Amino acid sequence: EAGVTQSPTHLIKTRGQQATLRCSPISGHTSVYWYQQALGLGLQFLLWYDEGEERNRGNFPPRFSGRQFPNYSSELNVNALELEDSALYLCASSLDRRLYGYTFGSGTRLTVV
Amino acid sequence: KQEVTQIPAALSVPEGENLVLNCSFTDSAIYNLQWFRQDPGKGLTSLLLIQSSQREQTSGRLNASLDKSSGRSTLYIAASQPGDSATYLCAVRRGNTGTASKLTFGTGTRLQVTL
Repeated sequence: EAGVTQSPTHLIKTRGQQATLRCSPISGHTSVYWYQQALGLGLQFLLWYDEGEERNRGNFPPRFSGRQFPNYSSELNVNALELEDSALYLCASSLDRRLYGYTFGSGTRLTVV
Repeated sequence: KQEVTQIPAALSVPEGENLVLNCSFTDSAIYNLQWFRQDPGKGLTSLLLIQSSQREQTSGRLNASLDKSSGRSTLYIAASQPGDSATYLCAVRRGNTGTASKLTFGTGTRLQVTL
C-alpha cells in the first residue's frame, strides 16, 4: 500500500511569488491535513480537508489556501510568499472514523528567497 | 486550549542505555495519543498509537504508556542504538470527528545516541 506522497520534495521561490504543494493521501483516506514546520518552531496546524471540503483552518492568513480534489488528493497554495513562509510543509491523511492514527508524507521543503 | 509539552527538549545517551521520554498534556479529554519520530529535514514516522482506553502499547524496543488522568505519556526506548537518534514528537487528538480530529503536537525531544 502506497503511503502519503508529497510533491515536490523541494521548492525555491522568490518573495511575492506563489507556491503550490501537492499531496496524495493513502488510498481510502478521505481526510487530508496540512501542517507547517518552520525552523525552530513546532508543527502548526494549517488546513484540514475532508470529502472535498475545507473543514478547519489554523491561525494562518488567507493567502494560505488549498483544495481537495474528487480523488481526495490535495493542493496547498501559498500566495504572496514571504521569507517567513520558508518551512517544511507536511501532509497527513487519516481514516477519520476508525481507530487509526495519522500517516504523514515526507514533506515539501519550501524556501523563499 | 490543549497544550502539549515534552521534557527533556534534548537528550544525549551512550549506546545501549534505556531511556524515557516524557509528554504532558493539559486537557485530559483526549481520544488518542500518537508518538512520532522525525529525522532531520524529513517527514514524520508513526511509532505508536495509544487509544484513550489503553494504558500502553509496545512495538519492538519501544513501549509507550498513557495516564490520562494525570495528563502524561512516556515513551520508553530499550537498549538504545545510534540509529535511534532523531526528534521524537508526541501528539494528541481530542476526538474522532470534526475539528477535534486534528493533532496537537508537543515541542519534541531531540535524542542523540552516541557510540
